[in-house]
Amino acid sequence: DGGITQSPKYLFRKEGQNVTLSCEQNLNHDAMYWYRQDPGQGLRLIYYSQIVNDFQKGDIAEGYSVSREKKESFPLTVTSAQKNPTAFYLCASNGQGSGNTIYFGEGSWLTVV
Amino acid sequence: QKEVEQNSGPLSVPEGAIASLNCTYSDRVSQSFFWYRQYSGKSPELIMSIYSNGDKEDGRFTAQLNKASQYVSLLIRDSQPSDSATYLCAVIPAGNNRKLIWGLGTSLAVNP
Repeated sequence: DGGITQSPKYLFRKEGQNVTLSCEQNLNHDAMYWYRQDPGQGLRLIYYSQIVNDFQKGDIAEGYSVSREKKESFPLTVTSAQKNPTAFYLCASNGQGSGNTIYFGEGSWLTVV
Repeated sequence: QKEVEQNSGPLSVPEGAIASLNCTYSDRVSQSFFWYRQYSGKSPELIMSIYSNGDKEDGRFTAQLNKASQYVSLLIRDSQPSDSATYLCAVIPAGNNRKLIWGLGTSLAVNP
């Protein structure tokens, strides 16, 4: 089935560690996004990529990094520079073939311990 | 700064009633509009997209778009307790073909 797969679903990070969240899509979408959502809050854009080997900062990029080496994959690294990383992370994608409708993965919960 | 605004709620309606959710946007030339539903702890799922002025119906859901007044609404007929969720409005402004601008969402509670 087509869709967006995020892993892991739950992740615990120790202080000072970098962690990487995986996002893979088989929808043939050009654009991919990472959002952060804190409890009771809206979606905030971290990074987005509209084409392979290119990406742009969103509204809250500090402390995060991404890569887009393949159309299907857009991993997010939460670095130790991100001081308050505990949140729900959502990967999404869209493309012209979908009428620009954005589709989400199931999300990844990151907790700092 | 392009914005999308929604009442945070909670909006409380009795089972079987019509729930009306509203969203306004600041970019007059926005072209694409979306409603998503998000259950607590889950990712958002698309309810409906709308691109032209007027109404668009899908089952119990009707989206209404008025570009002159810069608002888009979602009506849920025969509301069910399973409709209790947060409803997110999203807009793609002109000139930025795929990057959505999101509202903060309206919390809906349907009471049995």
